[in-house]
Amino acid sequence: IAGITQAPTSQILAAGRRMTLRCTQDMRHNAMYWYRQDLGLGLRLIHYSNTAGTTGKGEVPDGYSVSRANTDDFPLTLASAVPSQTSVYFCASSPGLAENNEQFFGPGTRLTVL
Amino acid sequence: GQNIDQPTEMTATEGAIVQINCTYQTSGFNGLFWYQQHAGEAPTFLSYNVLDGLEEKGRFSSFLSRSKGYSYLLLKELQMKDSASYLCAVMDSNYQLIWGAGTKLIIKP
Repeated sequence: IAGITQAPTSQILAAGRRMTLRCTQDMRHNAMYWYRQDLGLGLRLIHYSNTAGTTGKGEVPDGYSVSRANTDDFPLTLASAVPSQTSVYFCASSPGLAENNEQFFGPGTRLTVL
Repeated sequence: GQNIDQPTEMTATEGAIVQINCTYQTSGFNGLFWYQQHAGEAPTFLSYNVLDGLEEKGRFSSFLSRSKGYSYLLLKELQMKDSASYLCAVMDSNYQLIWGAGTKLIIKP
């Protein structure tokens, strides 16, 4: 693994189903993030984790949950998917909380909820 | 509220210079980032400004005026591969990034 990976690459999901998007980084970064990107809107933060064992809510957390059991993994779960959750989801990581810490992004998961 | 504004789309000619503007209003300021995002790909880091002034990095430069809540990204000697969206993001007082919707840059031969 080099950098940050996400799985699956894309998924079509029936409304009401449960889905977990996976994210793994091998850079030993403390902070990790989940964003959604929709046409015409900026990246919106769903949940974040500043360090293993802690998580926080972002701008649009409803309908999503996360866990951070270790440094490398940060899965995002949709408990009961709805069509408005159709989006491209990006996982990102950064070394930690500091002003100049750039975020590194995974390749994204394109999710369609029907 | 927090707000990042940038033009939706711009067109420029190969070999020319283009300036993409970004204005912001945020709760706190810990720096401003520019990212590049090619269609269907992830955003990648271009530049970071926290002090007023110009930061130059090859063909790309980024400017910041904190008093005006304003930044721009300057791209020189445009190449076809520069066709992409350019995202402006401000780090707020909680060290979270607030993102603009992005500017789609179209380069014509």
